[in-house]
Formats: sequence, C-alpha cells, structure tokens
Amino acid sequence: QITLKESGPTLVKPTQTLTLTCTFSGFSLSTSGVGVAWIRQPPGKALEWLALIYWDDDKRYSPSLKSRLTITKDTSKNQVVLTMTNMDPVDTATYYCAHLLAAGLDYWGQGTLVTVSS
Amino acid sequence: QTVVTQEPSLTVSPGGTVTLTCASSTGAVTSGYYPNWFQQKPGQAPRALIYSTSNRQSWTPARFSGSLLGGKAALTLSGVQPEDEAEYYCLLYYGGSWVFGGGTKVTVL
Repeated sequence: QITLKESGPTLVKPTQTLTLTCTFSGFSLSTSGVGVAWIRQPPGKALEWLALIYWDDDKRYSPSLKSRLTITKDTSKNQVVLTMTNMDPVDTATYYCAHLLAAGLDYWGQGTLVTVSS
Repeated sequence: QTVVTQEPSLTVSPGGTVTLTCASSTGAVTSGYYPNWFQQKPGQAPRALIYSTSNRQSWTPARFSGSLLGGKAALTLSGVQPEDEAEYYCLLYYGGSWVFGGGTKVTVL
C-alpha cells in the first residue's frame, strides 16, 4: 500500500525559503522507473506541476520556477525534499507530492497548505 | 510558455455522456505526451483516473475512458453518476517537464 505525506511550515514570510518534506511508504525510490513529483494548487485555482525526481536522481523542474526550486531525495529515509526560495504571497497554495510510475501520477499525498504572509 | 487548455465547464445529465478535451499550445497531442487525467472534489486531493492516454488506474470505474480525439487528449464519462460531479484536470508531458490544464468543472444536473 503506497502512501505519501507532506510536511513543513504552514506559514512563511515573504523572501524566506520554504522547505517541504514528502515522506512515503509502500515503494522504494531506488526502484527503476519510479519518481516523486511535487504539485501545488493556490486556493480556488488549478494544479501546477513543480518538480520531479527519478529513482536514478534525474531531476526535472517547471521552466517558470526552475531558478527557485531544488528537489532532493533521501532513499534511506524514504523522503523527498523540495525547497523553494524567495517566497511571495502568490506562492500561497496547497502543496502535494505524488508517486510516479509508467508515466502516471497515481498516488497522491493529502497536501499541506502553505501561507506566505508577513 | 506552454499552455494546456481545457473547457472551463460542462454540464451533463445523470446517465448521460460527456467528453472533456485537453489541448496543447504546441500542436496536436499524441501518445508521446502521455496524457493523464485526474478528478478532484472540493477539499480533497486529486485522484488519478487515467495515465498514458487510455490506461485506467486499478480503481477507476469503467465508465471513465481516455483517448486521443481530433489532436487533443480526451476523457469520456459514460453513464454519468451524481458522484462524478467534480473538477477534472489533464496533465501532459513535454520531454522532461509536465504541464497541467486549467481544469474542467463537470456539473451533473
């Protein structure tokens, strides 16, 4: 049974760096073909794909946010970490992580709401 | 910047059929875009329905089907149930990165 759970601060100030952790179970990020993605959704708006890390440590980023994002994995801890620099109120959103296999995002976490405000 | 376009809203009667589409600003959508479809209800995380154009997730009811239609990815809901009222998102692959569509609000009325 695959599960994922996002954790991190609920409130960050403008210009700060956000660090989110996705802790997962039921799969290994060292298995060929597996990836973990981050997606966000501002209140009342559409989903936005942010970043993806594969089992072989290949990393992919949204072109529009690439300069602000870093994704890493700790296979031994079953965790994927996303950092986003220079946070702004427009980055207020629910942030999700999801499992990727065979070009499908199948299992999602429950999401964590991050508010950017001074 | 790549844009993925979906119908903002569609209305369908219970028991009816509705088709949602997903278009790319780069041109025709093909299987190489690995279209995914997701359903999201208010206050919930998205739920995966379809991957790689037409493959259902193990939990996806047979009334949901994915295809390519007229240069777009398509999601068809047949025999619509009241519980199918939700927001639906498509996701397309662009050789390394992925882009979501803006979502389609499906109302069952």
